[in-house]
This record gives sequence, C-alpha cells and structure tokens, in this order.
Amino acid sequence: DAGVIQSPRHEVTEMGQEVTLRCKPISGHDYLFWYRQTMMRGLELLIYFNNNVPIDDSGMPEDRFSAKMPNASFSTLKIQPSEPRDSAVYFCASSYSDRLTDTQYFGPGTRLTVL
Amino acid sequence: AQSVAQPEDQVNVAEGNPLTVKCTYSVSGNPYLFWYVQYPNRGLQFLLKYITGDNLVKGSYGFEAEFNKSQTSFHLKKPSALVSDSALYFCAVRDTRSSNTGKLIFGQGTTLQVKP
Repeated sequence: DAGVIQSPRHEVTEMGQEVTLRCKPISGHDYLFWYRQTMMRGLELLIYFNNNVPIDDSGMPEDRFSAKMPNASFSTLKIQPSEPRDSAVYFCASSYSDRLTDTQYFGPGTRLTVL
Repeated sequence: AQSVAQPEDQVNVAEGNPLTVKCTYSVSGNPYLFWYVQYPNRGLQFLLKYITGDNLVKGSYGFEAEFNKSQTSFHLKKPSALVSDSALYFCAVRDTRSSNTGKLIFGQGTTLQVKP
C-alpha cells in the first residue's frame, strides 16, 4: 500500500487566495483526520470523517476553513480566503475502526505558506 | 478530562546511553496508548501501542514502552540511543468519551536529541 497520499507537498500563496489541500487515505480505512501543526500550537485536530461523513469539526478555526470527503478515497481541506496565520503544515491521517487497533497512519503533510 | 502530558519539551542523551521519553495520561475507561515519531519535514510515524496484555510493549526501531496503570504512565524507552533517533516524539491516547470514534488525543511532543 502506498500509504496516505497528500498533495501538494508545498504550497506558497498570497493572502486572500483560495487554497485546496488534497488527501487520499489508505484503501479500506473508514476514518480520515485533518491536522494542523505549528510551532506555537503544536498538533491540532481540525476535523475528522467516518465513512465520508464529518463527525467532529470543532477544531476548524473559522468559517474560512472547510473540508469535504466526496468518496472513500478522497478528501479536501479548503481555505478561502487564506491569511498569513494559516501558514502551517497540514497532515491527513486515516485509520480503520477496529477497537483493537485505532492506529492512525499519517501522510507526509502539506507545508502551506501564506504571504 | 481526557488528556496526555509529556512533561519534557526536550530530552538530551549521549549515543549509546539508554533513553526515556515520559508520558502520562488521564482517560476514563481502559486506555489505548500510542507513540509516534516525527522526523524533520516528515509526517508522524507509528512506533508502538498498548491495547491490553503485557505491560512492556515492543515497537519499531528497537523502541519499547512500559505501561504503568497505577502511575498512569506510558514511558518510551530504548536501551541504547542512536544519533538517528533524534526526532520529535508524540504520545497519544484513544479518546474514549464516544464509542468507536477512532479519535486520538496527542501530547505536545518531546524533542529527543542524541549527541555522538
């Protein structure tokens, strides 16, 4: 298995622009998580899905952030409009809902820089 | 409240010496505990987990962790550190507030620096 795939790996954009981050989870996994990592706040859970349905979006910072999962093999995290304080590394992770595992597997991340 | 604490921001150890990265947790019900490692400019990699059974769990790259229920701890250990072990280490616990969520609660991370 190729693992969790994220694209792009790096994104540089200007303030006010729309940014779309993409994630392909591991095949067969039914949970998908979006995290954000910064020096100041560490690793934060933004939102997660189960069977393509958003379960908990309480970590989404503001209405400028939105996430979708149109099918089991694809998810997007969109920021519109982007701001410099959104600069961070965004990780996608997936897992299988087995009570004896729950191991989340992380993608390589997207490093976002908003100028 | 459900939480994970990593009391040390950084741990420094000489190559060849044993290392310990500390983690304590607070959770209702049985704890499912995890350790992840993050190398520079990489995603988090799963190291090991405790679900049930033997309190000493062995994982990848020679790491092991000891579950101590009375002290609510799950410290990560390695008998002999390598310079290549230098990385950021995260402890996590499964969120048991809702059944079958798959959600993990992460600690703030501990930077391990192994010096030659």
